[in-house]
Amino acid sequence: DTAVSQTPKYLVTQMGNDKSIKCEQNLGHDTMYWYKQDSKKFLKIMFSYNNKELIINETVPNRFSPKSPDKAHLNLHINSLELGDSAVYFCASSQGGDGLGYTFGSGTRLTVV
Amino acid sequence: GQQVMQIPQYQHVQEGEDFTTYCNSSTTLSNIQWYKQRPGGHPVFLIQLVKSGEVKKQKRLTFQFGEAKKNSSLHITATQTTDVGTYFCSQGAQKLVFGQGTRLTINP
Repeated sequence: DTAVSQTPKYLVTQMGNDKSIKCEQNLGHDTMYWYKQDSKKFLKIMFSYNNKELIINETVPNRFSPKSPDKAHLNLHINSLELGDSAVYFCASSQGGDGLGYTFGSGTRLTVV
Repeated sequence: GQQVMQIPQYQHVQEGEDFTTYCNSSTTLSNIQWYKQRPGGHPVFLIQLVKSGEVKKQKRLTFQFGEAKKNSSLHITATQTTDVGTYFCSQGAQKLVFGQGTRLTINP
């Protein structure tokens, strides 16, 4: 059983399109995250949800809208995709919010053409 | 959040050589974590350090947290090809702030 699963693994789309990435965790963790990894491998947090509630929004454009229907799921919807959105998006989860042991999903490589 | 600077950005070694990556902060950190990301993979949690001067070992990996809690290091003894990847330090609780990573490549 995969602990944190993301779909799709790869996403190639045209500028201006809208796309979604789904994430599910079966670890029973309370907190879930979206991280963006750019071409230089820099990992930056985008959003954090604790028990379905948004607790961190790191100055991400409004085109990005996370949704957490329950604490096991955190989806990311992106409107009007731009070339600069091309990156690898990682979902992660943790228990306790103490920095200990984030579990990352396998990532979604988004390419906007 | 507090920034962490990681050096070097790249390191290439011969198999069997040692490897060290360093993580530095201008402010005192409450904790530091280390992650490994294999090429094409996702970050995998290795360890968390919280105490001043703490040293932890995992087989050939040695992790240290500085006395002033402003720096940390990860040392790999006698590298193997399976050690290839990018090593990240991070700090924080509710959100992790990652260093830029050190990409390790190994000549077999």
